[in-house]
Order: sequence, then structure tokens, then C-alpha cells
Amino acid sequence: DAGITQSPRHKVTETGTPVTLRCHQTENHRYMYWYRQDPGHGLRLIHYSYGVKDTDKGEVSDGYSVSRSKTEDFLLTLESATSSQTSVYFCATSQGAYEQYFGPGTRLTVT
Amino acid sequence: KQEVTQIPAALSVPEGENLVLNCSFTDSAIYNLQWFRQDPGKGLTSLLLIQSSQREQTSGRLNASLDKSSGRSTLYIAASQPGDSATYLCAVRGAGNNRKLIWGLGTSLAVNP
Repeated sequence: DAGITQSPRHKVTETGTPVTLRCHQTENHRYMYWYRQDPGHGLRLIHYSYGVKDTDKGEVSDGYSVSRSKTEDFLLTLESATSSQTSVYFCATSQGAYEQYFGPGTRLTVT
Repeated sequence: KQEVTQIPAALSVPEGENLVLNCSFTDSAIYNLQWFRQDPGKGLTSLLLIQSSQREQTSGRLNASLDKSSGRSTLYIAASQPGDSATYLCAVRGAGNNRKLIWGLGTSLAVNP
């Protein structure tokens, strides 16, 4: 395992509230990613980071923002949660264009 | 636009059988291809990564092959066991500076004792 933890592991929140998910890695990997996984859609990239303070959008970035102030931490914020953002969120890391290693996931329910 | 397809979507086999999972992609200009395993309610575990210059990779009972020209990869599992039951996903990384993976929807495998 690449030493990736995600917190919280489960969260239920109400529509309209802000939510922040945290990803922490101990491998000193340069790249970090946030995905969401939904039935019928597979894994979809939300945002990724290629270094401290360097981030870019993925294919489903609307309604999400990210921040990376330290190599080991990558935060995903839902600015105003909607029911369509109910999903399982995975963080991943990699060292360059090599293998990606995944965290255990966060199950988010927006009511 | 790269698209990745995995067939079949689900597979059920008796224990001990050798089996093949398929992954196809539409753009042969890839950097590498990675196979993952996902257990229910869990994260993804990397199984094998094949660089574009390689034809196959092996790890224990798993063997992954890559044919870039035909846009195909196969994951061969020898002597399947109930513990192999999981969803298997393949993901393709494009060539160049694009570090994003394009994912298939996976094959859900059940190995029955």
C-alpha cells in the first residue's frame, strides 16, 4: 500500500452545505488525484495536482474545488453540496506517469 | 477521444478454472495500461502495469498482455480461487503529457467454490 488515508470514511450531509474531504499520503508522491465512482459511470477524474499549489481540472470538476498546501495533503471541497454529488470519492497518488495507488474511499451521501 | 471497454461486464466461473478478462481501447497511442482489482466497498489495488513498449507482465497467477496495434489487453488468471472474486478494472494512460487515466467500467468476477 502507498500509505494513503482518507477522512472521513463516511459522511451524510444536507444539500447546500459545504463539505471537505481530506487525503493524506506518506509516500512523498508528486501527483495526487480525486475521483468519484458511480454505478454505470466508472471512475471519473474530478481534479488533480502535480505539485504543491499546482492543480488542474478533471472531467467532472464543476461544483468542486481543491487545495494542496503540502505534498502530503490534498483537500477536496464541495462548495455547496447537491444530491448529484452523492458518490464514493477516491484519492490516488502517483510518482509521475507510473502506477496509481488508491486510498480506501469516502462514501458521501447528500440528503 | 480515448474510450475503454471491458467485456464481459460480469463473469461467474467454478473454482480452478483458468479465465481471461478483456479490455479494449480505441486510441493505440498509449503510454501504459494498468489493471486494478476492487473488492466490494473497498479501494482499488494495482495488479499489473504494462508500459507501451511491453507485451506482457506477470505476477503470480496473473498475466497481462498488451497488443497496442489492435487496441487490446487481456488479464489471464490461472487456477482461479474464490478469493479472486472482485471487480477488475483496466485503465489506459495516453501518450504525451496527459497524465490522466481513462477507465473501463470493469468486469465483476465471481469464483464459486
